[in-house]
Amino acid sequence: KQEVTQIPAALSVPEGENLVLNCSFTDSAIYNLQWFRQDPGKGLTSLLLIQSSQREQTSGRLNASLDKSSGRSTLYIAASQPGDSATYLCAAPETSGSRLTFGEGTQLTVNP
Amino acid sequence: DGGITQSPKYLFRKEGQNVTLSCEQNLNHDAMYWYRQDPGQGLRLIYYSQIVNDFQKGDIAEGYSVSREKKESFPLTVTSAQKNPTAFYLCASSTRTGSGNQPQHFGDGTRLSIL
Repeated sequence: KQEVTQIPAALSVPEGENLVLNCSFTDSAIYNLQWFRQDPGKGLTSLLLIQSSQREQTSGRLNASLDKSSGRSTLYIAASQPGDSATYLCAAPETSGSRLTFGEGTQLTVNP
Repeated sequence: DGGITQSPKYLFRKEGQNVTLSCEQNLNHDAMYWYRQDPGQGLRLIYYSQIVNDFQKGDIAEGYSVSREKKESFPLTVTSAQKNPTAFYLCASSTRTGSGNQPQHFGDGTRLSIL
């Protein structure tokens, strides 16, 4: 059964800082891995989907990497802004690919 | 615009009452999912459906029921058997491919509370 862990649980940084969020998973036989953002009281917004054949995926100031052999993914946020404040969740599929297992998220606060 | 619509946004349940949460999508996705989120926690899967007229239990299906009569709709009923229903409920959908069901798109959620 897939298990997903995110470290740290919470992170507070000053505006402009570059930061890294970590995600680890136990079953490395995954097709892909997905990063989401959740604002308070809202649903999840998909940020990046990395296929197993890729090592990185970029969208604007966000860069996600995937290392299947070590069971790890990282989300790098460059030049952080107060608007980046949210909870970031990663999700890895079960081997069948039909369902996702979510980490508990990293709550990010970017201070002006 | 294509997307997922959940209603209502807020719902209150009385003791012994069944309530139904609505989820509709116009993305033409085959797969749909229901998750429960408790404060400060990640998402836990309640039920999912990969095709019309078929669905599977997730990790916490007890006290819940679903139906999938139409591709666009996947309503969730929280029954009186669910003793701790207060939570944030999220519906999602995705395409089905040979390499798994991704990516998942989410609605804005329904917050359920006990009166």
